[in-house]
Amino acid sequence: DAKTTQPTSMDCAEGRAANLPCNHSTISGNEYVYWYRQIHSQGPQYIIHGLKNNETNEMASLIITEDRKSSTLILPHATLRDTAVYYCIVVRMNTGFQKLVFGTGTRLLVSP
Amino acid sequence: NAGVTQTPKFQVLKTGQSMTLQCAQDMNHEYMSWYRQDPGMGLRLIHYSVGAGITDQGEVPNGYNVSRSTTEDFPLRLLSAAPSQTSVYFCASSRTMTGVDTEAFFGQGTRLTVV
Repeated sequence: DAKTTQPTSMDCAEGRAANLPCNHSTISGNEYVYWYRQIHSQGPQYIIHGLKNNETNEMASLIITEDRKSSTLILPHATLRDTAVYYCIVVRMNTGFQKLVFGTGTRLLVSP
Repeated sequence: NAGVTQTPKFQVLKTGQSMTLQCAQDMNHEYMSWYRQDPGMGLRLIHYSVGAGITDQGEVPNGYNVSRSTTEDFPLRLLSAAPSQTSVYFCASSRTMTGVDTEAFFGQGTRLTVV
């Protein structure tokens, strides 16, 4: 599975957009980009995933570059409750169980 | 909708003791898995199951046993607890769509300390 590189930490002002980058330069054609987050000591929470098209749901938007070597998770209006560690994970979509390989993620701090 | 439920939330064990961490899901998911998270690190896969009666090892399986007798339950057994097993344990389940795994749902974790 492709490895990912994320900044260790980021800051964002409440109400502003948070843009979290992820580099996955060795991604293969059958690998998806998944984003999860972990708030404090809770279990990770799924946010969004995509293959090559940009995706949007009620939580966030995912922008994947045309060459698929990097992506950006966008929280359009960050709130204090978005303070968490965000994990970018590349997952090969074969049939069967997908092992999630968590790195150390990006610690996002949203401040008032 | 309870989702993924883990019990207990906290546990202290003495070295050499055994115990079972419970995990139950009510979403009729086929796939279930156990991860551990150590301070400052990401989650690492211990064991997983693709259905009742089927289990397999993950990245760090030593010292742990699992079984899957029902779709709903996936207990994790520590045979003889060691201080190195002090960690936070997360159970996850995921649905399949035409055989392809999708997003995982995680429980709230069990914080285990082995003294």
